[in-house]
Amino acid sequence: DIQLTQSPSSLSASVGDRVTITCQASHDITNFLNWYQQKPGKAPKVLIYDAFNLEAGVPSRFSGSGSGTDFTFTISSLQPEDFATYYCQQYDNFPYTFGQGTKLEIK
Amino acid sequence: QVQLQESGPGLAKPSEALSLTCSVSGASISSSRYYWGWIRQPPGKGLEWIGNIYYSGNTHYSPSLRSRVIISIDTSRNQFFLKLSSVTAADTAVYYCARLLWSGFSPRFDYWGQGALVTVSS
Repeated sequence: DIQLTQSPSSLSASVGDRVTITCQASHDITNFLNWYQQKPGKAPKVLIYDAFNLEAGVPSRFSGSGSGTDFTFTISSLQPEDFATYYCQQYDNFPYTFGQGTKLEIK
Repeated sequence: QVQLQESGPGLAKPSEALSLTCSVSGASISSSRYYWGWIRQPPGKGLEWIGNIYYSGNTHYSPSLRSRVIISIDTSRNQFFLKLSSVTAADTAVYYCARLLWSGFSPRFDYWGQGALVTVSS
């Protein structure tokens, strides 16, 4: 199985801050990586696919980059509605796997 | 508008089976463009992929659950199903069903159900 390690596990930030989360894969997954946002009590929502493509309707302050084993997810200017948990997910191979999540909290 | 809705018992007894149904509206479960998946989340923990099924019945399962899980599909009812046998307290989780974009797409879960909490307890 491909393991995904997210860093940090939690993060405190303020509205307007630039925030970066990393996701490291145990094997080369090319760019076969998605990013999801999950708010408490809600289902996850896909934000980024193919490591850097923005899902339709998702604000442009969200972005992704990387390839191979190292990936980055960035929020350029945090908004109040962005405080949530973020997960990376690989689809290079079955079984699909998720990172352990990064909880983004208000400072 | 695509909607998915999980249904089934919220309580399962240890060593017995957990069964859930996902009812899909706004999209045809018979389409070759999608797989249909189950993902679970233990309370306070992260997401775990369980498996996917195609309209043809083709399935992929998590190796850690393969011996206990069956995912099936009923295209006439636009529903798919999860059965997890020999459950323990470790199977207590919110279970989500989701649509997986597939043919002609970069695979991603784009529509999700609201989730169904299943507690394993005697």
